[in-house]
This record gives sequence, C-alpha cells and structure tokens, in this order.
Amino acid sequence: GAGVSQSPRYKVAKRGQDVALRCDPISGHVSLFWYQQALGQGPEFLTYFQNEAQLDKSGLPSDRFFAERPEGSVSTLKIQRTQQEDSAVYLCASSFGSGETWDTQYFGPGTRLTVL
Amino acid sequence: GNSVTQMEGPVTLSEEAFLTINCTYTATGYPSLFWYVQYPGEGLQLLLKATKADDKGSNKGFEATYRKETTSFHLEKGSVQVSDSAVYFCALRSGANSKLTFGKGITLSVRP
Repeated sequence: GAGVSQSPRYKVAKRGQDVALRCDPISGHVSLFWYQQALGQGPEFLTYFQNEAQLDKSGLPSDRFFAERPEGSVSTLKIQRTQQEDSAVYLCASSFGSGETWDTQYFGPGTRLTVL
Repeated sequence: GNSVTQMEGPVTLSEEAFLTINCTYTATGYPSLFWYVQYPGEGLQLLLKATKADDKGSNKGFEATYRKETTSFHLEKGSVQVSDSAVYFCALRSGANSKLTFGKGITLSVRP
C-alpha cells in the first residue's frame, strides 16, 4: 500500500519568504509527527498530532513555525519569514496507534528546504 | 531528559566482515528501542525494535538486544554485504504520546 508522502521534495526559498510543507500520512494512521533533520545529524522532534489535535509542539524552534492537521489526515508545516538556519530536511512520520511507545513510526521521504 | 549516544563514524568494512554499532541511552520510564536505516536516496526505514528489557530485535540478519543493566542496544550483523551500506540511527521512545529521540547516526560503507 501507499506509504507516507511529502511534497514538495525540494524547496528553495529566499530568506524572509513563507513556505508550506505537506504530509500525507498512511491512511487510517492516528498519529502524525514532524521532525527536522540537519545535515549530518539525527532527526529532532518538532510536533505531534493525534487525529486533528496537536498534543505536543514543544519541539517547534520558534513562533515562526506552525503546523496543522485540520481533518485528522493531511498535515501542513508552515514556516514564516524563513531564515538560513531553517535549512534542513523536514520529515513526517505516521503511526497507527495513539502514541504508545512500541508503536512503529513510518517515515516519508522528507522535504529538503534550502533558504538562501 | 531522554538521549541516545551512538559511536562515532564513519565505519568502513569489507564484505562478509562482522559488524557492531554501539548505542547507549538515557531515558525516564521504560523506553522502547529502535534501529532505523536510511539507504542512499531513500527515507528512514525501521530496521528492528525491542520493547522491553532482554528482548532481541532482528531483521535482515541484523540483531540488537535491549540491555537494561548497561542501557545499551548495540546493533550486530555476522556478515555484512555491500547492500548494507547506509546510515544507521539508534532511537528510543519513552512515555505516552512520545516522540522518537534519535542518535546522530553512523554511516556504514561496505566494500566488495
């Protein structure tokens, strides 16, 4: 079946521009996570949704970052007034359960954001 | 807080060599432990997992045992192949509604 998809795969933005990154999770998956992966590093948590509810946004680095999942399926991560330090790969993951520790997260291919 | 420490890389091995990649962790509660792999040009994939102490996860010839006494989850494979060349990430989850906490990852290159 279809896995997690993300679009666009690559995005180049000028500093100060707003960007929107889309994630389509696996159908029926309750939980959705966003991670940020800097070059040469492991992914770092940004935010977590259970259905349409954003239960944890403790990893969002600033108020320029905003995420939503209005119908409990597709999610959008928005970054306002992009800065060079926002350049990274943004990963989306979904899982079937409601956040249990043993529940496997399935990752999308990521969106590589480059801010010039 | 939770953290994962992986051995420094990169690692280069000859085909059929034995592989060990070290991973230790710090966590509150009772974490589940994971190894993810990222092949060139592809996304992160779950390689194996273990959800309680002394569990052994295994897949594609790779194994890792959850050692609570040493807070470790080392990845091993008896005979690596060129196709195993990838970046390997150790990760944990602890607590309800919990995110994954990843190590920095290690690049493995296997030469023919």
